[in-house]
Amino acid sequence: LAKTTQPISMDSYEGQEVNITCSHNNIATNDYITWYQQFPSQGPRFIIQGYKTKVTNEVASLFIPADRKSSTLSLPRVSLSDTAVYYCLVALRGDTGGFKTIFGAGTRLFVKA
Amino acid sequence: GAVVSQHPSRVICKSGTSVKIECRSLDFQATTMFWYRQFPKQSLMLMATSNEGSKATYEQGVEKDKFLINHASLTLSTLTVTSAHPEDSSFYICSARENSGGYEQYFGPGTRLTVT
Repeated sequence: LAKTTQPISMDSYEGQEVNITCSHNNIATNDYITWYQQFPSQGPRFIIQGYKTKVTNEVASLFIPADRKSSTLSLPRVSLSDTAVYYCLVALRGDTGGFKTIFGAGTRLFVKA
Repeated sequence: GAVVSQHPSRVICKSGTSVKIECRSLDFQATTMFWYRQFPKQSLMLMATSNEGSKATYEQGVEKDKFLINHASLTLSTLTVTSAHPEDSSFYICSARENSGGYEQYFGPGTRLTVT
């Protein structure tokens, strides 16, 4: 089962771009890469998902190199409200067609004024 | 977007009693739901995968007789913590994936269980 490695914590200032890189060296062909955001005492919130190259939505961009062994979440112009834990997950499709998602340790992002 | 609810949001119970937590997909059908547990300052730990109409698949180290999972319909899964003890106090989170496909999981808001 593919596992992920992320920096434990990061600090940034308001208005800066934040890039969080995740390693997933043993990602399988069927695995998708998904990033979630979690605030204290809340469930994780979906940010973005991708399989390869670059994906962009209204809140973030996700960069995935050709070998797919890592991915980078890019948050443009962060604000104080972006202070949260960010999880990089790999979704592994099982033999029966379903999948399960295993959370890594996550990255605690602290945005300062 | 798809919404997953949990009930209750917070529960306090006495040691030895059982507690049931409900997880509902409000605007979509979910054949598969997942149950996680999260201790303070830690990541989410997958406990089990709940499959509609069949038995749940438990992760290694999770006692299936203690954490009973029932997925009776395409929109409801329940987790019952039986004979709860203080060490079961934790934040329990469920998630669901739409039957229509895709890998996106929608998470519930979580249930804070405190066993006294």
